[in-house]
Amino acid sequence: AQKVTQAQTEISVVEKEDVTLDCVYETRDTTYYLFWYKQPPSGELVFLIRRNSFDEQNEISGRYSWNFQKSTSSFNFTITASQVVDSAVYFCALSEAWGDYKLSFGAGTTVTVRA
Amino acid sequence: KAGVTQTPRYLIKTRGQQVTLSCSPISGHRSVSWYQQTPGQGLQFLFEYFSETQRNKGNFPGRFSGRQFSNSRSEMNVSTLELGDSALYLCASREQGADTQYFGPGTRLTVL
Repeated sequence: AQKVTQAQTEISVVEKEDVTLDCVYETRDTTYYLFWYKQPPSGELVFLIRRNSFDEQNEISGRYSWNFQKSTSSFNFTITASQVVDSAVYFCALSEAWGDYKLSFGAGTTVTVRA
Repeated sequence: KAGVTQTPRYLIKTRGQQVTLSCSPISGHRSVSWYQQTPGQGLQFLFEYFSETQRNKGNFPGRFSGRQFSNSRSEMNVSTLELGDSALYLCASREQGADTQYFGPGTRLTVL
């Protein structure tokens, strides 16, 4: 069974600080996908980033960056120079690569960015 | 392209009633999945439909059912509502062969 753990329940920062969200996952699959989604108060889950299990290259996209380490089953996500609009619940999710696309979500981390 | 749309956005029902939620995927997306979000259980997968066929089902009772139409629009039905069915129901669509799911705004169901 797949399992995603987000140990941080809430994070509060002041605007312009960096925020790093931790995600640890468990899966018996050798090929899988990892995602980060953002859920603002409106409720819609907004897709942020995706990484497949056979590509451990870490990337930066604007103010977002991620650190995928297969050896420790971690997929951490960083928001650089946070803004008030980044306040939301962030979910890490995992899916198999072949045939079964259902997402297994972590419990979410609530990020509050104060002006 | 327009995003995933869900109707209605809010619903209030009483125990024992049934409810139907609707989801229109992104144009060209043939896969539609449904998820339930509650404070206690978090986000849980309900089922996925592709080309009018249910491909995958989560661990929910038979009161939860769904279907997909030839235009890829999907409906989810919950019969004999219970208080515990109060939740945000999210629909997601996916392009064939792709792995990223895009979510709609959700339908917030309250069961009294």
